[in-house]
Amino acid sequence: EAGVAQSPRYKIIEKRQSVAFWCNPISGHATLYWYQQILGQGPKLLIQFQNNGVVDDSQLPKDRFSAERLKGVDSTLKIQPAKLEDSAVYLCAIPGTGGLNTGELFFGEGSRLTVL
Amino acid sequence: GNSVTQMERPVTLSEEAFLTINCTYTATGYPSLFWYVQYPGEGLQLLLKATKADDKGSNKGFEATYRKETTSFHLEKGSVQVSDSAVYFCALKARTSYDKVIFGPGTSLSVIP
Repeated sequence: EAGVAQSPRYKIIEKRQSVAFWCNPISGHATLYWYQQILGQGPKLLIQFQNNGVVDDSQLPKDRFSAERLKGVDSTLKIQPAKLEDSAVYLCAIPGTGGLNTGELFFGEGSRLTVL
Repeated sequence: GNSVTQMERPVTLSEEAFLTINCTYTATGYPSLFWYVQYPGEGLQLLLKATKADDKGSNKGFEATYRKETTSFHLEKGSVQVSDSAVYFCALKARTSYDKVIFGPGTSLSVIP
């Protein structure tokens, strides 16, 4: 059964601190996405993995954000140093049952970051 | 580039009222179109989709028709319930395998008894 586990669910940090989010696609899908959802906005893709490789990271602020996917399963998203504008929900997603081409996404519950 | 526009003003309706949430898109070619829903305290989930012109997606009493001539994919429901209160996101994906799903800003719906 498809599922995406994310942790932590909530995190509060001060600006310039670092934070890491973890995603485990329980079904072990080859494709994994990280989206950023700022309050009042739609999700924005940060990075897309295909197995261990990066397919699209064009909107990832690489001066402060990094992501990796070891062994093509779990993934971590790190922010260092955090800025106030990084306050958002970070969503991990995998393709839905129809596969990569359909555009259907299955999301985890997200990790809510508040930067003070 | 590809983009999605939808009404951002929150919508408040009485139970059993008719719902329309407008969505228009800009894309090259023939993208697939989606409505996602985010219920309070829950994750984002797919509500319905359409993959070609004149297709109608439907689920849970909601419908949306892919209109290529007006580049629109408006969400409708004939009689809303309190349980439909949520944020609704229109989205699109271009045809190539690795093109990302692009979301609109979301429309908050509150249904009052």
